[in-house]
Amino acid sequence: DAGVTQSPTHLIKTRGQQVTLRCSPKSGHDTVSWYQQALGQGPQFIFQYYEEEERQRGNFPDRFSGHQFPNYSSELNVNALLLGDSALYLCASSLVSRSYEQYFGPGTRLTVT
Amino acid sequence: GNSVTQMEGPVTLSEEAFLTINCTYTATGYPSLFWYVQYPGEGLQLLLKATKADDKGSNKGFEATYRKETTSFHLEKGSVQVSDSAVYFCALSAYSGGGADGLTFGKGTHLIIQP
Repeated sequence: DAGVTQSPTHLIKTRGQQVTLRCSPKSGHDTVSWYQQALGQGPQFIFQYYEEEERQRGNFPDRFSGHQFPNYSSELNVNALLLGDSALYLCASSLVSRSYEQYFGPGTRLTVT
Repeated sequence: GNSVTQMEGPVTLSEEAFLTINCTYTATGYPSLFWYVQYPGEGLQLLLKATKADDKGSNKGFEATYRKETTSFHLEKGSVQVSDSAVYFCALSAYSGGGADGLTFGKGTHLIIQP
């Protein structure tokens, strides 16, 4: 049973550029959430997708956007990158009926220079 | 808004010592409560959960009881091992009209177990 997978593992971008991160949920899961984890901090909720629509959103600017595909996989897009966007980006999947119980992927480490 | 406060680390213990990591929360309504663990170089893993008051979550020798009266969810283990060394996160999920909200995490507690 495949767990949550994310790609790429690491990424280095320059300030002002745009980045796309990808996530495949655990088999059977239909809901995907994205989190940002700065170094030494707990993860912060960015948004959650279900049925290809944004269902919940945390306190992040519009530069952060996402998409969910019919196969439940998801992308996180960040425009106009800032140095402060450097972080580990975590994807988590769940069932909408148990969306409080989330399973996390290994994350994508984004470095903005 | 929702928030989680957990004890600062690092917490350093000897093998076989008793472990307590304190966690308190603020939330509207009746959230579900979780402990996640992050081993070095790995992603977050769900350790245990409790979905209503007085529930006790348990897994791998760890336990935590949902205390509504004290808004707490302290993590305990009777005898820690070197392999328990990791960062532990307390988290909550509240509910709004759209269903369960995204998880709100504490800052994490780094646990170091010495042989």
